[in-house]
Amino acid sequence: EPEVTQTPSHQVTQMGQEVILRCVPISNHLYFYWYRQILGQKVEFLVSFYNNEISEKSEIFDDQFSVERPDGSNFTLKIRSTKLEDSAMYFCASSEATGSFTEAFFGQGTRLTVV
Amino acid sequence: AQTVTQSQPEMSVQEAETVTLSCTYDTSESDYYLFWYKQPPSRQMILVIRQEAYKQQNATENRFSVNFQKAAKSFSLKISDSQLGDAAMYFCAYRRNNNNDMRFGAGTRLTVKP
Repeated sequence: EPEVTQTPSHQVTQMGQEVILRCVPISNHLYFYWYRQILGQKVEFLVSFYNNEISEKSEIFDDQFSVERPDGSNFTLKIRSTKLEDSAMYFCASSEATGSFTEAFFGQGTRLTVV
Repeated sequence: AQTVTQSQPEMSVQEAETVTLSCTYDTSESDYYLFWYKQPPSRQMILVIRQEAYKQQNATENRFSVNFQKAAKSFSLKISDSQLGDAAMYFCAYRRNNNNDMRFGAGTRLTVKP
């Protein structure tokens, strides 16, 4: 069964460093998402991406964050200068279409630890 | 603003018994969709069941069913004949029509006792 894969599973980075989280969405999916989950807190929407541009973003997704689909298969989330409060589980998701009833398939997540 | 509240941080059920997980939400929209996701210890979230707000009939997927009360803005999940593999974190989620921003509740950790 096709699935969304994320790498690495765990990333430790120094505060102020740039980090890139990688995701390979399901191959025929056109819509891509990033969510994060700070330990013990809710899963929060960050951004959605379609047709090589951001379609929606939350207030969390500030100028420190960017997304890219560099090669037609990967979907990346870059944090330019990490802060301690960026430590969280980051989930990538993809869906065939948009529309609220469409199922989003989630990856296993990347745990980001900023020290 | 749309918010989703899961008032039970943890729940426990005996194997083969039935358990109900609560979810309430706040919205001024009339056209929206509700979801329950399961997050096992491997941490990949899996869709369990979904409900369109305009449908009065409660969604059912095998042992999983919902009690959707639109006026009360309540969307509870019932798991019948609980199995050990049902142990996971369960998230209730809301998304309004034509919007990609899915709002999640804080989750309920379900333990299934043998």
